[in-house]
Amino acid sequence: EDQVTQSPEALRLQEGESSSLNCSYTVSGLRGLFWYRQDPGKGPEFLFTLYSAGEEKEKERLKATLTKKESFLHITAPKPEDSATYLCAVQPLKTSYDKVIFGPGTSLSVIP
Amino acid sequence: DVKVTQSSRYLVKRTGEKVFLECVQDMDHENMFWYRQDPGLGLRLIYFSYDVKMKEKGDIPEGYSVSREKKERFSLILESASTNQTSMYLCASSLHGISGNTIYFGEGSWLTVV
Repeated sequence: EDQVTQSPEALRLQEGESSSLNCSYTVSGLRGLFWYRQDPGKGPEFLFTLYSAGEEKEKERLKATLTKKESFLHITAPKPEDSATYLCAVQPLKTSYDKVIFGPGTSLSVIP
Repeated sequence: DVKVTQSSRYLVKRTGEKVFLECVQDMDHENMFWYRQDPGLGLRLIYFSYDVKMKEKGDIPEGYSVSREKKERFSLILESASTNQTSMYLCASSLHGISGNTIYFGEGSWLTVV
């Protein structure tokens, strides 16, 4: 069965303390892996799409990487405004439609 | 910039009422989705549409229906609202194709059924 898990469930960091969020997936072939940021009470905001193992994407303090079984979202020197829930989603290669499976998310709090 | 607009941010409805949630996208996307998001349950797909007048059931379609009369507009209908349908509803859209196409979300509609 296709599955996406994320760890940790919640993470508290001091401002400037770098860390990584993990997304592990089990799918029969990967069409794409997506990272989103979601602020409380708002819809998910798209961050990155990764397609193949070894691929990396960067945006400001965020860097996403992909292996055959997991993806990492690295946060370098985070600021309080990086506090949000980060969602990972996977699109399997074989789907009857453009189905995407979402992970449960990691809630990040950055303390000043 | 991509734009998915949900017409209502906050709604309060009574049990048994018929509820319409409207969504419009301006990106000429073929696919449109309705999700609901609940604490501890994450994002769950209600319905999906890949073309005008076409629809597919998602993981939790019971109690819901959808309408797509125009490419840019996708409506979610609760025929008879119940308290267990109190939730945040998210509309989304994407291009259709063989590569992984990004799903773009609206701001969400908070529905409370009393």
